[in-house]
Amino acid sequence: EAGVAQSPRYKIIEKRQSVAFWCNPISGHATLYWYQQILGQGPKLLIQFQNNGVVDDSQLPKDRFSAERLKGVDSTLKIQPAKLEDSAVYLCASSPAGVRNTGELFFGEGSRLTVL
Amino acid sequence: GNSVTQMEGPVTLSEEAFLTINCTYTATGYPSLFWYVQYPGEGLQLLLKATKADDKGSNKGFEATYRKETTSFHLEKGSVQVSDSAVYFCALKRGDMRFGAGTRLTVKP
Repeated sequence: EAGVAQSPRYKIIEKRQSVAFWCNPISGHATLYWYQQILGQGPKLLIQFQNNGVVDDSQLPKDRFSAERLKGVDSTLKIQPAKLEDSAVYLCASSPAGVRNTGELFFGEGSRLTVL
Repeated sequence: GNSVTQMEGPVTLSEEAFLTINCTYTATGYPSLFWYVQYPGEGLQLLLKATKADDKGSNKGFEATYRKETTSFHLEKGSVQVSDSAVYFCALKRGDMRFGAGTRLTVKP
């Protein structure tokens, strides 16, 4: 079974530029999460999707961050314009819904963003 | 709100030493508790979990017991190996998953 795929693995941009990250979850996983992990901190949830609907985006800075999961499969997280404090690893995770859900999240390897 | 506090690192041990990484939580109700591990260059992966009080999660020689009375879920291993070098995250799930800051463990031969 293929794991969660993310791209790009690394991205360096200047402040005020835009960037987009892509995630393809494990096949059949209805729930998809985007986390932000700043160096030295634990992952912080940005947004959670159930199929193509948003379940929780309370910690997403909506003035600059947006995310979509149009067909309920893969997802894109966009930052526009980027700030220095957005330098972090952006983690995508997925989990099955319903009776298959054990609480475990399955993570991709992450996309490391450096904003100069 | 729900949160996790775990022991600050880094932790450096010699091979075969005993490991404890402390984790305490604050939560309403009865969350599920997890330890995730991140090996160098890899994504986070589940190490073990416990879903109710007094449950013990175990995997790869690691153990943690869900202690409701002390709101703790400390990670232990009797004899660490060089291959255990990684960052360990304590997490709780009640609704969304909340993570601690992580503890970096380095095991030296």
